[in-house]
Amino acid sequence: DQQVKQNSPSLSVQEGRISILNCDYTNSMFDYFLWYKKYPAEGPTFLISISSIKDKNEDGRFTVFLNKSAKHLSLHIVPSQPGDSAVYFCAASGRRGSTLGRLYFGRGTQLTVWP
Amino acid sequence: DGGITQSPKYLFRKEGQNVTLSCEQNLNHDAMYWYRQDPGQGLRLIYYSQIVNDFQKGDIAEGYSVSREKKESFPLTVTSAQKNPTAFYLCASSIWDSGAEKLFFGSGTQLSVL
Repeated sequence: DQQVKQNSPSLSVQEGRISILNCDYTNSMFDYFLWYKKYPAEGPTFLISISSIKDKNEDGRFTVFLNKSAKHLSLHIVPSQPGDSAVYFCAASGRRGSTLGRLYFGRGTQLTVWP
Repeated sequence: DGGITQSPKYLFRKEGQNVTLSCEQNLNHDAMYWYRQDPGQGLRLIYYSQIVNDFQKGDIAEGYSVSREKKESFPLTVTSAQKNPTAFYLCASSIWDSGAEKLFFGSGTQLSVL
């Protein structure tokens, strides 16, 4: 049973506009949340993360928002660029040494940014 | 130049054959992982190892085997018992940073069945 869910398999956005990718999780014991970006035939690369003690983390064009009460996080990309077209994976983990002390991945959202 | 090296990039398996995917890292990371990616399935954990000479099954370990004789190496064998081996295989190593585990991935191996 998926503990991290990305319910939108794809998202299409025009260049310059905002991209919002969503992620839901089921286990309230998750402590840390990460986003990875993946191009075809390559390994995922780390993009941005957020601790459960925060509700927002920003890095350049990328911002992650966390709503713990709703068990929901989102990744905002502003402005979107064609090079952002990739699959984005949401991941969550619990405390080190706990039974949740590993990364749980969602199924990914394919973002396409068109000119 | 530190990183994770997976080889080969493409691999073909015949019916009943075992094949081994290589993963080497020079990041001095203790933990290493194998994931499988299928279209629409995301990343599913096959096996992981947190220390040399120790490894644990992930969510989909059946039909796979691993070894961890050296810190730098974590090869994955896809056995003939794995009935649907065609997938993109990703190896990763990890560090814990500020309370979170961050994975660093190799560039992957595409395995196909002939």
